[in-house]
Amino acid sequence: TQLLEQSPQFLSIQEGENLTVYCNSSSVFSSLQWYRQEPGEGPVLLVTVVTGGEVKKLKRLTFQFGDARKDSSLHITAAQPGDTGLYLCAGGEGGSYIPTFGRGTSLIVHP
Amino acid sequence: EAGVAQSPRYKIIEKRQSVAFWCNPISGHATLYWYQQILGQGPKLLIQFQNNGVVDDSQLPKDRFSAERLKGVDSTLKIQPAKLEDSAVYLCASSPRGRGILEQYFGPGTRLTVT
Repeated sequence: TQLLEQSPQFLSIQEGENLTVYCNSSSVFSSLQWYRQEPGEGPVLLVTVVTGGEVKKLKRLTFQFGDARKDSSLHITAAQPGDTGLYLCAGGEGGSYIPTFGRGTSLIVHP
Repeated sequence: EAGVAQSPRYKIIEKRQSVAFWCNPISGHATLYWYQQILGQGPKLLIQFQNNGVVDDSQLPKDRFSAERLKGVDSTLKIQPAKLEDSAVYLCASSPRGRGILEQYFGPGTRLTVT
């Protein structure tokens, strides 16, 4: 059983569409990180959220941490082909410094 | 600033052979992580070092995997003997002092194929 469940597992959309991916857990996390991984590369950190209810924006990407710190979402507005990649959420359960990753959401944006 | 360096990038070996991977973290980063990423899954932590001490190795298959970070800088991960199920990408990451899981920087990984 994954501590961090990500959905959907796969997403294929057209350029210009909006999308939301989710990261859910039954456990409380002191922080959650979102990464993007492109084929043949390591994950690249996009954002860290630490406060329940926190919303962070990074250009067309909006990240939200649930009030109870058990879930998070990533919303992309007007997706572009350059957004294609594997989106991973990660965190330390219950304040642990041991990182846990979800399985990821594989996003393909078609031109 | 140079990123996390890993070598080799690709390795193909037969089962029961041995293999070693090398990682050089970002200069000054105290924490170093080794992950295993199987195709279609997220990275799984194998071992975490703080300087040259092991913080966590609870998911490291110690009968065949070993890792060291002797001088608190670069690190090696070894598999001996390899099994088919070890085919995966092995990722190294590092974090600045005091940042831990809040801020990890990953290398490009080593793709291992065991035949």
